[in-house]
Amino acid sequence: GAVVSQHPSWVICKSGTSVKIECRSLDFQATTMFWYRQFPKQSLMLMATSNEGSKATYEQGVEKDKFLINHASLTLSTLTVTSAHPEDSSFYICSARESSLRAFFGQGTRLTVV
Amino acid sequence: GESVGLHLPTLSVQEGDNSIINCAYSNSASDYFIWYKQESGKGPQFIIDIRSNMDKRQGQRVTVLLNKTVKHLSLQIAATQPGDSAVYFCAENIFSGGFKTIFGAGTRLFVKA
Repeated sequence: GAVVSQHPSWVICKSGTSVKIECRSLDFQATTMFWYRQFPKQSLMLMATSNEGSKATYEQGVEKDKFLINHASLTLSTLTVTSAHPEDSSFYICSARESSLRAFFGQGTRLTVV
Repeated sequence: GESVGLHLPTLSVQEGDNSIINCAYSNSASDYFIWYKQESGKGPQFIIDIRSNMDKRQGQRVTVLLNKTVKHLSLQIAATQPGDSAVYFCAENIFSGGFKTIFGAGTRLFVKA
């Protein structure tokens, strides 16, 4: 089946620094990738949708200047959390879709900002 | 729109019993629905999906039922096993400048041995 890989699995960073999370589709070309955030005991909240070669579309309430998304190739999208603060600590999950309706999910990245 | 659960409802079942997890969706125009299983610290794992032109679909030990009239989705797990303990999410594909997958609130399933 299709595999989506995220890196790193977990990261700890200091407040004020930036962190980059990578999402790769390993065996298919992802025309669309999605980034979600999940707080403890809550559901996944869609942050943004990115299509290869174009600007990401952000959901309402998500700061595009804080959460920079780049989808430069059909197999890689990155999410950069800029000037991270403790309230940005969360579980970030990406998913990727080729042409079908079904999206495939990465294993998630646990971000802790101290 | 998006659904955010503040506290996940919990379903506790005895090993070997059948489990039924329910979900209400919001968008009557949605035509594709998915059930995911999420274990602690991991990403969602696909279980089963269903298109809106169907009202039932079966997989291995799982069945999804779709009632479009009341916008309700259910996941039935037969002969529930300890390994089924996880959080289960229903999700719907909605079209907003392109298809995107929106998650429901989720239900935590505990299987008692």
